[in-house]
Amino acid sequence: DVVMTQTPPSLSVAIGQSVSISCKSSQSLVYSDGKTYLHWLLQSSGRSPKRLIYQVSNLDSGVPDRFSGTGSQKDFTLKISRVEAKDLGVYYCAQTTHFPWTFGGGTKLELK
Amino acid sequence: EVQLVETGGGLVQPGKSLKLTCATSGFTFSTAWMHWVRQSPEKRLEWIARIKDKSNNYATDYVESVKGRFTISRDDSKSSVYLQMNSLKEEDTATYYCSRSFAYWGQGTLVTVSS
Repeated sequence: DVVMTQTPPSLSVAIGQSVSISCKSSQSLVYSDGKTYLHWLLQSSGRSPKRLIYQVSNLDSGVPDRFSGTGSQKDFTLKISRVEAKDLGVYYCAQTTHFPWTFGGGTKLELK
Repeated sequence: EVQLVETGGGLVQPGKSLKLTCATSGFTFSTAWMHWVRQSPEKRLEWIARIKDKSNNYATDYVESVKGRFTISRDDSKSSVYLQMNSLKEEDTATYYCSRSFAYWGQGTLVTVSS
């Protein structure tokens, strides 16, 4: 199975600050169709996961452009600019290139 | 508005069975590929099963840890997807979510396996 490693496991941030979360996979996530199926999700406290970014860098509808995703092959980054209180929670990366689909262990973003 | 609502969770003894239901609305269910994902008490997410649509012969896939014990199925007439869980183990304790390709998620239903 593809192992997804997220760092750091937790981040303390002040409102207005920018942060980055890293996600590394044990195999390349480029599928046979040339696309890379790496996604980012946010789970706010007591809520279900919500997808923010799909295929590395595409923002889901309604997601502010303070969020951005970059990366390729095995190395990916989520950047949040000008963090707001509603951004707090646990961020997960997920790959849907190889079966079984797998998730990173999560990065908890909390207030400093 | 897309909605997914899971039901059927609860407390069950090891070795017993449970069936989860995910009722959906707000999208064309018959052509959607549907998934079950679970989240352990330690908050780790694990994809466990997928079912494709009729044009793909309702093909199914499972994670190794549930193969032979869990069965995913669907009823397009009811826009619902199901997860039949047999021979439950304590390590199956989790919140179970149904999802449409990770873009949409239900609120989850808690399954606790304990004697």
